[in-house]
Amino acid sequence: NAGVTQTPKFQVLKTGQSMTLQCAQDMNHEYMSWYRQDPGMGLRLIHYSVGAGITDQGEVPNGYNVSRSTTEDFPLRLLSAAPSQTSVYFCASKDSGLEIDTQYFGPGTRLTVL
Amino acid sequence: LAKTTQPISMDSYEGQEVNITCSHNNIATNDYITWYQQFPSQGPRFIIQGYKTKVTNEVASLFIPADRKSSTLSLPRVSLSDTAVYYCLVGAMDSSYKLIFGSGTRLLVRP
Repeated sequence: NAGVTQTPKFQVLKTGQSMTLQCAQDMNHEYMSWYRQDPGMGLRLIHYSVGAGITDQGEVPNGYNVSRSTTEDFPLRLLSAAPSQTSVYFCASKDSGLEIDTQYFGPGTRLTVL
Repeated sequence: LAKTTQPISMDSYEGQEVNITCSHNNIATNDYITWYQQFPSQGPRFIIQGYKTKVTNEVASLFIPADRKSSTLSLPRVSLSDTAVYYCLVGAMDSSYKLIFGSGTRLLVRP
């Protein structure tokens, strides 16, 4: 299994541009989440999904949209990029009904907005 | 969701045991305690999870007192490769997908 994959690894945008960060998992996990991590800070939850067709907002959802049309994919869309969205973005997934409740994280996308 | 408090940073030396304590005074009855490790430029990685008393795996031990208002992650005989940020999270089982990470504890292991 490839686990959780994210593309691209790096991206530079200009203010006002839009883009989609891709996240895919091949573990058939129901739950998926998007986090952002600013330099020297912890992770903040943006959006999450408990299954295909179901999404909900996390701590910092403004400026981001998500959709979950399949179990495998959970893209994050930046509507109009702002310098404040410069960050590293992590996608994570987890299964349900296990004895250990753990998330599996992707390698991250480093985004710079100029 | 229960709020957690951890030291911002800790220093240690190779071969020493490191104990990182997390306070979670308002932990709920059905909450579990989970620790993650994050290396630079990588996503967090699960270390250990527990509900009460002591849990041990091949990487670490987790000590939880009877009142569960705190927990201690113990890393035996640390090496340079244990330099990382360690996060303590508290939440109900099966809720990890929506938990919020705090700032964590930045552990520096020196030679």
